[in-house]
Amino acid sequence: RKEVEQDPGPFNVPEGATVAFNCTYSNSASQSFFWYRQDCRKEPKLLMSVYSSGNEDGRFTAQLNRASQYISLLIRDSKLSDSATYLCVVNPGGSYIPTFGRGTSLIVHP
Amino acid sequence: GAVVSQHPSWVICKSGTSVKIECRSLDFQATTMFWYRQFPKQSLMLMATSNEGSKATYEQGVEKDKFLINHASLTLSTLTVTSAHPEDSSFYICSAPGTSATDTQYFGPGTRLTVL
Repeated sequence: RKEVEQDPGPFNVPEGATVAFNCTYSNSASQSFFWYRQDCRKEPKLLMSVYSSGNEDGRFTAQLNRASQYISLLIRDSKLSDSATYLCVVNPGGSYIPTFGRGTSLIVHP
Repeated sequence: GAVVSQHPSWVICKSGTSVKIECRSLDFQATTMFWYRQFPKQSLMLMATSNEGSKATYEQGVEKDKFLINHASLTLSTLTVTSAHPEDSSFYICSAPGTSATDTQYFGPGTRLTVL
């Protein structure tokens, strides 16, 4: 089992749709969790951290389920500009070296 | 937030040549930097961890004699791809970790290497 698993997609959705991505991780001692966004031929950019209590930033909501070892990202009212690859990143406990999922591709069409 | 730069942003070279990529932390000191490689439609793969003043730690399967890493100062790490071949063509990204295990990473903009 890979350390961090994501459905690669692509998720093809119309503008205005709500879309959700899940990510599972295998290391139960993992300390911190992030969602990054990566555009084609660009470096990953932090979208949001994921907290146990869940957190929301505008149209984006991230949640963590430690018992089931997965994190999720919900995007409401999708925009064309949301088209990108979304990377799930997990920091193992006691280490600064994060583990990346392979990314989920989102395509928002008119 | 912290800024990490990379140079060059893209490079095209002939097979057999060596290419050096620089990664700089512009407004902070980084005792550790990470080097990643990303092939098209694939995830970031950690190649090595660069440590200031000591040898880099390479991930399994990464040839340390081919990918030379030098972390000469607290703001500069370099990756040299020696005797590059077409299969080394990839997107190379460096990053510097935050101040704690719960902090994010700061990525450089990446270097796209094409070996002809």
